[in-house]
Amino acid sequence: AQSVTQLGSHVSVSEGALVLLRCNYSSSVPPYLFWYVQYPNQGLQLLLKYTSAATLVKGINGFEAEFKKSETSFHLTKPSAHMSDAAEYFCAVSDRGTYKYIFGTGTRLKVLA
Amino acid sequence: KAGVTQTPRYLIKTRGQQVTLSCSPISGHRSVSWYQQTPGQGLQFLFEYFSETQRNKGNFPGRFSGRQFSNSRSEMNVSTLELGDSALYLCASSSGGRGTQNEQFFGPGTRLTVL
Repeated sequence: AQSVTQLGSHVSVSEGALVLLRCNYSSSVPPYLFWYVQYPNQGLQLLLKYTSAATLVKGINGFEAEFKKSETSFHLTKPSAHMSDAAEYFCAVSDRGTYKYIFGTGTRLKVLA
Repeated sequence: KAGVTQTPRYLIKTRGQQVTLSCSPISGHRSVSWYQQTPGQGLQFLFEYFSETQRNKGNFPGRFSGRQFSNSRSEMNVSTLELGDSALYLCASSSGGRGTQNEQFFGPGTRLTVL
């Protein structure tokens, strides 16, 4: 069965510092991979997605993620954190056969002034 | 295109009552999924409907049920409410067909409080 692991339920970074949120998946076949962001009292919004076209994926708000098959990872990065990036981030996989969607447990990002 | 809409946005019920939540997907989307989000358990998958059929199901008791109509709108019902059912219920739609990337689009959620 597929699973998604997000390391670190809470991550704090200083404004202007690098953001790195970790996501590992388990699957015998590379699934579709996604990162979503959730701001307080809102639904989830898609940041970016990996669909096998390119291993480095660029998303909205300056975020990007790199798919590494050998490490079964899809870590999310942003070179310089802004206060507005404070939110909860979810990694998700979609099984290409069953269409089942699996979310990680989420990482709450705090940006310090 | 209009986004995913959920009604009502807020709901207060008492234990033992039942509740029905509604979700209207993005036009053309045939898949609707429901999630429960709580501070303690995070985001948990309830079920997914595709073309009026339940295609995937999470590990929730039978008190939680859903259905999808021919226009792809979906409803979720919770019977005999318990205090632990207090949560944000999120609906997500996707095209859901074979060969699609299955990107999900989320609604704003319905905040259910059980007293």
